[in-house]
Amino acid sequence: DAKTTQPNSMESNEEEPVHLPCNHSTISGTDYIHWYRQLPSQGPEYVIHGLTSNVNNRMASLAIAEDRKSSTLILHRATLRDAAVYYCIRYGGGSNYKLTFGKGTLLTVNP
Amino acid sequence: GAGVSQTPSNKVTEKGKYVELRCDPISGHTALYWYRQSLGQGPEFLIYFQGTGAADDSGLPNDRFFAVRPEGSVSTLKIQRTERGDSAVYLCASSLNSGGLGTDTQYFGPGTRLTVL
Repeated sequence: DAKTTQPNSMESNEEEPVHLPCNHSTISGTDYIHWYRQLPSQGPEYVIHGLTSNVNNRMASLAIAEDRKSSTLILHRATLRDAAVYYCIRYGGGSNYKLTFGKGTLLTVNP
Repeated sequence: GAGVSQTPSNKVTEKGKYVELRCDPISGHTALYWYRQSLGQGPEFLIYFQGTGAADDSGLPNDRFFAVRPEGSVSTLKIQRTERGDSAVYLCASSLNSGGLGTDTQYFGPGTRLTVL
C-alpha cells in the first residue's frame, strides 16, 4: 500500500512549468514526503523531499500543503529529459526505511 | 564519484536454473536495499541490509530468494529454481545510513533485467 495517490499520467509542453500533485491524506507527523523519478530504462532517481516547509533544489520545488495532506512537485521549466515516471512517497521515522512505491505519474513532455 | 553498479545488466536463464545478481553500492554507504520491478509497476521492496546483516527480509517472496552482504559492501541476490514469474528488473539501492530519520536518500543502480524462459 503506497498510501499516496497520484494521477496516472500528465502531459506538458517543453519549457512550461509542470505541477505534479500527490495526495497523502493519512500521513503521520513524522513522515517526510519524498519524490523520486524514473527515466526510461533507468533506476529511480531522488528528486526532492520535505516535511512541512516548501523546499527548493536545483531540480525542482516541493510545495507542501499546510495540513500536509497533499503536496505538489513543481518543475519550473520542463525539458524533454524530464519525461519520466514520478513517484511521491511517504518516508518516515522509526523503522520505515524502505521506500514504498505506487504506480507514479507518467509525465510526457511535448517538444 | 561512482554510483551504484549492478551486474549483469541483463540475464536470460531457463526455468529451474540458479542465478546470482550482484550489486556494488556507493563506497561508505552502510545501508543497502534490493527491490524488484515488474512491467508497469513501481519497484517493490525485497530486503534491506544495515552493514553485513539483513535487517529486514520481509519482502522476499519465498525461500527461493536469498541475499548476502558478507563484508558490508557488495551484495549478491541469489534465486534458486527460477520460475517464469521471477522475470523482472531487480534494482539495488544504497544510502549513507538508514536510521529511519526520513531524510535518508537512496541511490539506485540501473538494475538487472532478469528473463526466465
